[in-house]
Amino acid sequence: AQKITQTQPGMFVQEKEAVTLDCTYDTSDPSYGLFWYKQPSSGEMIFLIYQGSYDQQNATEGRYSLNFQKARKSANLVISASQLGDSAMYFCAMREHRMGGGADGLTFGKGTHLIIQP
Amino acid sequence: GAVVSQHPSRVICKSGTSVKIECRSLDFQATTMFWYRQFPKKSLMLMATSNEGSKATYEQGVEKDKFLINHASLTLSTLTVTSAHPEDSSFYICSASKASGGAEQFFGPGTRLTVL
Repeated sequence: AQKITQTQPGMFVQEKEAVTLDCTYDTSDPSYGLFWYKQPSSGEMIFLIYQGSYDQQNATEGRYSLNFQKARKSANLVISASQLGDSAMYFCAMREHRMGGGADGLTFGKGTHLIIQP
Repeated sequence: GAVVSQHPSRVICKSGTSVKIECRSLDFQATTMFWYRQFPKKSLMLMATSNEGSKATYEQGVEKDKFLINHASLTLSTLTVTSAHPEDSSFYICSASKASGGAEQFFGPGTRLTVL
């Protein structure tokens, strides 16, 4: 079973509209972290926002906010007032706590290709 | 900031040769670095976790003898693709976590490997 599910392979959105990118996750670990990254055509991975499983508040970073619904295992990314420069691939990722401690690699979803239209 | 560099950014090699890719944390120390692989229009797949001064931990299905990882210092990890074949052609991306802690992983710009 997929650990991170992004159900929207592609989205077209009008400039200045708000965008919601869906992400659901699957884990039995009570301690985990959820990330969103943006990958433009250049290939670099740009960190957008992070939500810890124990965080009480939904994370926000400028125009980005994360709609964290723990019971539904959902971590949707909301981009307000979209801009042409927001066109890119967007990946949701999860870090689970592994036995033995230490830093843990991320599990990525398949991504959503967002295209902002003028 | 927290900057991670990769070198080279792009490499083309002949089948059967070995290719070394470097991942450096430029302004922070990283006890742990990660290597990912991304096929065209696909997601990133974690290949291995590289720990400074110890052996790397490989994900299931990743050949450790094929993808050699060395993390000799707190700012450098290398991935060597040995006896490369066309199916090894891919985008390889590293990331690093700060030794001082924190949730974020900082990604390098990636290395595009093409094996002819």
